[in-house]
Amino acid sequence: QSALTQPRSVSGSPGQSVTISCTGTSSDVGGYNHVSWYQQHPGKAPKVIIYDVNKGPSGVPDRFSGSKSGNTASLTISGLQAEDEADYYCCSYAGSYTFDVFGTGTKVTVL
Amino acid sequence: QITLKESGPTLVKPTQTLTLTCTFSGFSLSTTSGVGVGWIRQPPGKALEWLALIYWNDDKRYRPSLRSRLTITKDTSKNQVVLTMTSVDPVDTATYYCAHRRDFDYWYVYWGQGTLVTVSS
Repeated sequence: QSALTQPRSVSGSPGQSVTISCTGTSSDVGGYNHVSWYQQHPGKAPKVIIYDVNKGPSGVPDRFSGSKSGNTASLTISGLQAEDEADYYCCSYAGSYTFDVFGTGTKVTVL
Repeated sequence: QITLKESGPTLVKPTQTLTLTCTFSGFSLSTTSGVGVGWIRQPPGKALEWLALIYWNDDKRYRPSLRSRLTITKDTSKNQVVLTMTSVDPVDTATYYCAHRRDFDYWYVYWGQGTLVTVSS
């Protein structure tokens, strides 16, 4: 079960938008609408910010949005803020045998 | 309020067996149908890696590449989930997290704080 592929890093200035891609296969991202995204600050546990491709849990700002096309999912952060500087991981359900697969992680830097 | 907390050794020697315990509150794995507890690890400076999950009905799932080394069990009387990993290697050095998941929910909302395990002689 190979990890989903994410860019190592993305950056943007406050107020800008950044998009993180998450590329898998037809056995995971492309096969199920069960992609979630997690934000992780240094030394902290991950926090879910998007689930089922494009749904936001209560309490998560709506400037975080998700989408999917084929085998690639994307997370967009609109109106970038300083507190958004963190690591971001995608995760996809991959069937009852492989179950969950995480991405390689992306560091978001706010310039 | 759902909380989870991992516990276990901080240092393990290569070839030994690692036993980690997740103690939780706010739900029950014996009476709350549709819930599960999973384990995810993160080597220092690296990505998250899903390891295993156990549901209330004792259904168990394992990372295919580690299936032969992992065992996940639950002790409903203690509100605990235990993950056992045999034949550890320095590459198993990581922060190990447990997390709550509901059946038919494909994400983890509640996570423990994580526990760092170092495998070294």
